[in-house]
Amino acid sequence: EVQLVQSGAEVKKPGESLKISCKASGYSFTNYWIGWVRQMSGKGLEWMAIIYPGDSNTKYNPSFQGQVTISADKSISTAYLQWSSLKASDTAMYYCAKVISNYVYFDYWGQGTLVTVSS
Amino acid sequence: SFELTQPPSVSVSPGQTARITCSGDALPKQYATWYQQKPGQAPVVVIYKDNERPSGIPERFSGSSSGTTVTLTISGVQAEDEADYYCQSADSSVTYYVFGTGTKVTVL
Repeated sequence: EVQLVQSGAEVKKPGESLKISCKASGYSFTNYWIGWVRQMSGKGLEWMAIIYPGDSNTKYNPSFQGQVTISADKSISTAYLQWSSLKASDTAMYYCAKVISNYVYFDYWGQGTLVTVSS
Repeated sequence: SFELTQPPSVSVSPGQTARITCSGDALPKQYATWYQQKPGQAPVVVIYKDNERPSGIPERFSGSSSGTTVTLTISGVQAEDEADYYCQSADSSVTYYVFGTGTKVTVL
């Protein structure tokens, strides 16, 4: 059974750094792209970035390029999303999701990680 | 980049048919997927590859494609179908993924 289990909710101050995680199981982690999707409160879904753990190849939404970093540790089947300096506007729910690249969609999703950035 | 446009809301009575459209210039070149998202939950795929239904998704959900528009049809809508629905696709070179603007389906 495919599972994506994300790290817990975070409360941070502006300017702080953060790294959230997504642990995958039930499939070959290195053979599928995995990505992150943002959802701000009451708003729609936004694709942020994807990574291919097999070779660490990445693709970013230009809107998020330079604002976040996606990474993966294939030894523990875990993907990450990190910020070096959070802003209040980063407050949102973040979902990780496994990609089916042949048909360009996200077939399995994590439960979401709520990030709150407030002074 | 490109955009996928959906109507903000669709209202339908139980047992009737709901149709949600998604328009975008890149749609003829790439498959579309539809997700259902209920409050407080992660999205769930209801249609992929334009018109394929994952196992476990009721037959009342179907998808179609014509030119720059894809359509999700929910036949015989039930109260449990009340949710937000998003289309999603990618550019032709699969360097950029995009979600539609989302449609709130209300069952009257």
